[in-house]
Amino acid sequence: DAKTTQPNSMESNEEEPVHLPCNHSTISGTDYIHWYRQLPSQGPEYVIHGLTSNVNNRMASLAIAEDRKSSTLILHRATLRDAAVYYCILRDVAGKSTFGDGTTLTVKP
Amino acid sequence: GAVVSQHPSWVICKSGTSVKIECRSLDFQATTMFWYRQFPKQSLMLMATSNEGSKATYEQGVEKDKFLINHASLTLSTLTVTSAHPEDSSFYICSATAGRWDTQYFGPGTRLTVL
Repeated sequence: DAKTTQPNSMESNEEEPVHLPCNHSTISGTDYIHWYRQLPSQGPEYVIHGLTSNVNNRMASLAIAEDRKSSTLILHRATLRDAAVYYCILRDVAGKSTFGDGTTLTVKP
Repeated sequence: GAVVSQHPSWVICKSGTSVKIECRSLDFQATTMFWYRQFPKQSLMLMATSNEGSKATYEQGVEKDKFLINHASLTLSTLTVTSAHPEDSSFYICSATAGRWDTQYFGPGTRLTVL
């Protein structure tokens, strides 16, 4: 299974943008890049996903490198409710997702 | 987004008993459901992939006779932890998807504590 590498933790100030990086150098041509976030004692929540092109939705933006070996999740204005563990996941042709260690995002007021 | 429920949300049982956890997709038909386990301060670990009407596919190191998975309908999958022991205490999370290219939605998780 292709792996992802993320920083263990990041901090942000409230109302400022946050860029969460993810490296996936062994990604295959058919793997989709998904981002989820998880609050303590809850199931992961879907954030965004993409294949090759940058994507935007109401929650965030996803910037995918041209070679697809890395991606960045962008939260345009962090709020206290955005504090969570963010997982960057590669989903293979079978639809299977393998979770890495994720990034714990702390948002300071 | 789509909703996936789990029942129960938490359960405490004695060592040696079996526990069944249900996972339901409430507003879509889930061709595939996944079961994960998460220990404190750790990431989710995939246990098995379940397709409706067929046998589950287990990840390496997961005992299929201990973790029985049934996916009897397009909206329901069950995980039974047989002869549970304290080391099986964990947070069990299911997810469901309508297809391999569709979004994977996660349930809220079930906290299992084995005494």
